[in-house]
Amino acid sequence: AQTVTQSQPEMSVQEAETVTLSCTYDTSENNYYLFWYKQPPSRQMILVIRQEAYKQQNATENRFSVNFQKAAKSFSLKISDSQLGDTAMYFCAFYNNNDMRFGAGTRLTVKP
Amino acid sequence: EPEVTQTPSHQVTQMGQEVILRCVPISNHLYFYWYRQILGQKVEFLVSFYNNEISEKSEIFDDQFSVERPDGSNFTLKIRSTKLEDSAMYFCASSAERGPPYEQYFGPGTRLTVT
Repeated sequence: AQTVTQSQPEMSVQEAETVTLSCTYDTSENNYYLFWYKQPPSRQMILVIRQEAYKQQNATENRFSVNFQKAAKSFSLKISDSQLGDTAMYFCAFYNNNDMRFGAGTRLTVKP
Repeated sequence: EPEVTQTPSHQVTQMGQEVILRCVPISNHLYFYWYRQILGQKVEFLVSFYNNEISEKSEIFDDQFSVERPDGSNFTLKIRSTKLEDSAMYFCASSAERGPPYEQYFGPGTRLTVT
């Protein structure tokens, strides 16, 4: 079974600085998708960024980018120019064959 | 932008009671999901639903749980006899197709408190 591990329960960053959230996963599959979801205090789950495992190029969405290391089974999220609105829980997720698995989450606080 | 809605936002029920959580997926979506998040813990997959039947379910989704699409718009999760450990946030999601790149859109969740 696939497992997703987020080893940082909590992190904080100063506004305008850069922060990296870690995620590792375990799978024997070769084709899969990885996601980062944001869950602000409103608790709505919002997709931040997705990565297809067959793509070597790291995904980027504005201030959000990932460092996807397939061999190491690592999928970290980098947030540049952090904003107060980035304060939220961030969940890493693994998808394969209609099975979505989430990590335990990292609570990120952006400080003014 | 279309969105998934869920009602109620908060449901309090007594242990042993039946509860129905309601979701209205995005109108042209065909695949529907329920997830659970116990407070402070990770989001867990419960069940996926397509073409009026369950596609996949997790070990959490036992006989106490059932899902239904009673009409063309609602998607419900029923818990027959609630237990204290059912207290959690329940998220509904929907997608246009079975998997990526089609995104699963999540609703805002229903907080279920079992007393």
